[in-house]
Amino acid sequence: DQQVKQNSPSLSVQEGRISILNCDYTNSMFDYFLWYKKYPAEGPTFLISISSIKDKNEDGRFTVFLNKSAKHLSLHIVPSQPGDSAVYFCAASEWVNYGQNFVFGPGTRLSVLP
Amino acid sequence: DAGVTQSPTHLIKTRGQQVTLRCSPKSGHDTVSWYQQALGQGPQFIFQYYEEEERQRGNFPDRFSGHQFPNYSSELNVNALLLGDSALYLCASSLGQGLNQPQHFGDGTRLSIL
Repeated sequence: DQQVKQNSPSLSVQEGRISILNCDYTNSMFDYFLWYKKYPAEGPTFLISISSIKDKNEDGRFTVFLNKSAKHLSLHIVPSQPGDSAVYFCAASEWVNYGQNFVFGPGTRLSVLP
Repeated sequence: DAGVTQSPTHLIKTRGQQVTLRCSPKSGHDTVSWYQQALGQGPQFIFQYYEEEERQRGNFPDRFSGHQFPNYSSELNVNALLLGDSALYLCASSLGQGLNQPQHFGDGTRLSIL
């Protein structure tokens, strides 16, 4: 049973336009949410996070929105650049036994077309 | 500032053999987690080490075991290898317990079982 879902395996966007990646979760105990980007032959790179007490967090071109009632978060990239082409993983964490337990979604492959 | 380093980068084994993978956490981090990533999927949590103890464990059999050393580095051991163990094994580190913190990943070890 997937606790973190990314229902779009792939997404193509024109350079300069907005990219919107979506993520849904089922566990109401998750209180911290993250987005990672992964290039081939590299490990995932941390992009941006948001705590459950907030509904928006911005960092440069990246903004994450959290809708707790819908158990939904999204990552907006504006403007999209060809270098943003990668696989994006949504992750969520809860505290278990005094440690953070991270659960990852299956990923969305973003292609930014020049 | 050294990031998370993993060794080896690639490994080929045959069924029934045993393997040890190694991880050095990011400078200043004291918590190490291991993940298995199959092709086309998100990272699946194996276990987490803090203060040289296994603090949490995912849904993996006892063939998967680990260790954390006083310098916070860690090993992942897999016994009686199966074809299905072929995957990218990722190590992630984070700081401490009690605060929401992102995990930082190494580039992984690609394990192939023949």
